[in-house]
Amino acid sequence: AQSVTQLGSHVSVSEGALVLLRCNYSSSVPPYLFWYVQYPNQGLQLLLKYTSAATLVKGINGFEAEFKKSETSFHLTKPSAHMSDAAEYFCAVGGGATNKLIFGTGTLLAVQP
Amino acid sequence: EAGVAQSPRYKIIEKRQSVAFWCNPISGHATLYWYQQILGQGPKLLIQFQNNGVVDDSQLPKDRFSAERLKGVDSTLKIQPAKLEDSAVYLCASKPRGGPGTDTQYFGPGTRLTVL
Repeated sequence: AQSVTQLGSHVSVSEGALVLLRCNYSSSVPPYLFWYVQYPNQGLQLLLKYTSAATLVKGINGFEAEFKKSETSFHLTKPSAHMSDAAEYFCAVGGGATNKLIFGTGTLLAVQP
Repeated sequence: EAGVAQSPRYKIIEKRQSVAFWCNPISGHATLYWYQQILGQGPKLLIQFQNNGVVDDSQLPKDRFSAERLKGVDSTLKIQPAKLEDSAVYLCASKPRGGPGTDTQYFGPGTRLTVL
């Protein structure tokens, strides 16, 4: 069985500040891990993914995430927030025979000027 | 490359009515998914197709929901009759057939359903 927990349904940062969105997972098989971003009234766009290669994964728009097996975590970070980063972010775990994704409940990121 | 297309983008119906959503995946993608995203929650898988066969429909409320992908390309998701709790965004996603680098699902813009 697989599951994802995203800590903090709402996160607010100032423009230029560090962004840290937390994700912990549970998986009985080697996991694939994903971060997706969703802007209002749009579908989900892939930010980055971990598929058992390098544990530090770099994605689009300056985001990166580190897979830590010992902590069962895959936290998303960005050194300096931009106003355009305001959106909802979803962590998801996949893998196994059907490769279906199990999503977390999402974190809404607000960026203050 | 064209993305995943969905229509309609918005739909408002009365409870007990029926509704259908359409999805056209990225060309050549063998796997197609339908997700339900209720406000404030993450997407939840309803059904997964591999070509025109169902791989996983364990979360599909089969008494009222049905889906088909007859020719292994586009797909239709139907709700009949709709309930208030079906109000959600219905997302379609597609993925190439398995193999290295084919683990990413690509999502369409979704259909926002409101049941009154």
